[in-house]
Amino acid sequence: DGGITQSPKYLFRKEGQNVTLSCEQNLNHDAMYWYRQDPGQGLRLIYYSQIVNDFQKGDIAEGYSVSREKKESFPLTVTSAQKNPTAFYLCASTSGGVRNQPQHFGDGTRLSIL
Amino acid sequence: DQQVKQNSPSLSVQEGRISILNCDYTNSMFDYFLWYKKYPAEGPTFLISISSIKDKNEDGRFTVFLNKSAKHLSLHIVPSQPGDSAVYFCAASVWNNNDMRFGAGTRLTVKP
Repeated sequence: DGGITQSPKYLFRKEGQNVTLSCEQNLNHDAMYWYRQDPGQGLRLIYYSQIVNDFQKGDIAEGYSVSREKKESFPLTVTSAQKNPTAFYLCASTSGGVRNQPQHFGDGTRLSIL
Repeated sequence: DQQVKQNSPSLSVQEGRISILNCDYTNSMFDYFLWYKKYPAEGPTFLISISSIKDKNEDGRFTVFLNKSAKHLSLHIVPSQPGDSAVYFCAASVWNNNDMRFGAGTRLTVKP
């Protein structure tokens, strides 16, 4: 079955520590996205990538970094510069270059501060 | 700047009745609108969409209505079932831009 796999499901970060959230898709999608969800707010875009080796900042990119070395993978690193990292993180993908396609989401990673 | 707003954080309806979830947007450039459904500890799943050239799209028990002049869309679920209990997100985008904007969600509870 094709889909998006996010790991781990739960992650704890110590102060001053960088952590990396994994996102893998086998849908052969070109575009991938990272969103952050906080209580009472909509999903906010952190970074997105339309093609391998290219990515763009979203609305709240500060304190985060990404890479897109393979089409299937789009890992997100939450750096120590992100002062309020506790949130639910969602990865999504969609067919690139195709008009008006819904995004497919993974099941998310919940990140908490120790 | 919240371009997509869902002003009702929660909605409770009786099984078999109609559920109406509302969504307002501010960006007149949006021309593709979607509804996603989310269960706890899972990612959102696509439910139904509508493009700006239409004012209604129906898929089984789910119908989305778009009122472009009012910048408003709504999702109707008829009849509502207990399994429909979830958080529903409204989303919008411009067709050539994958930068999708989401509302804060409405938690629907369908009581047996």
